[in-house]
Amino acid sequence: RKEVEQDPGPFNVPEGATVAFNCTYSNSASQSFFWYRQDCRKEPKLLMSVYSSGNEDGRFTAQLNRASQYISLLIRDSKLSDSATYLCVVNLNTGGFKTIFGAGTRLFVKA
Amino acid sequence: DARVTQTPRHKVTEMGQEVTMRCQPILGHNTVFWYRQTMMQGLELLAYFRNRAPLDDSGMPKDRFSAEMPDATLATLKIQPSEPRDSAVYFCASGLSRGNTGELFFGEGSRLTVL
Repeated sequence: RKEVEQDPGPFNVPEGATVAFNCTYSNSASQSFFWYRQDCRKEPKLLMSVYSSGNEDGRFTAQLNRASQYISLLIRDSKLSDSATYLCVVNLNTGGFKTIFGAGTRLFVKA
Repeated sequence: DARVTQTPRHKVTEMGQEVTMRCQPILGHNTVFWYRQTMMQGLELLAYFRNRAPLDDSGMPKDRFSAEMPDATLATLKIQPSEPRDSAVYFCASGLSRGNTGELFFGEGSRLTVL
């Protein structure tokens, strides 16, 4: 079983739609959580951190459920420019910060 | 803008050849990661270093892969001998760990094709 699991998609949505991505992690030693975004043939870049209380950044909302070991990302009012792969990321408490990426969920936003 | 620099950007080689990929992390960052990305497996962690010390290389095939940080400005990933299944994009990332967290900054990747 992979340490971080995501639905690979793809999700095909029209502009303006709301779309939600889910992610589960298996290691209870996971300490911090992130969503990264990766455009086609580019490197991953940080989208946002995920806090236990939930957090919002503009049209993006991230939630964490430690009991269920579950992370989510909600994108409201999707834009064409949101088309990308969204990577769920966990840091393990191992004395350093071992950073594990999920395989990613592909999103296509269409006009 | 400070950024992670990787070389080469593209490499085509024949099976059995040695391949060395290099990474210059962002100055001041104390943690360096090597990842491999394929369509089938996504981003796999191969190895990572903190303050130049290797912390975990359990994701790396030990018989052919090796990762080192000869100094704070250089990380290397070597494959010897290379095989077609090693074809992938190899990313280096660096970060400044604060406790056990921190954003990672990625290089543009080295796209390796082994024929």
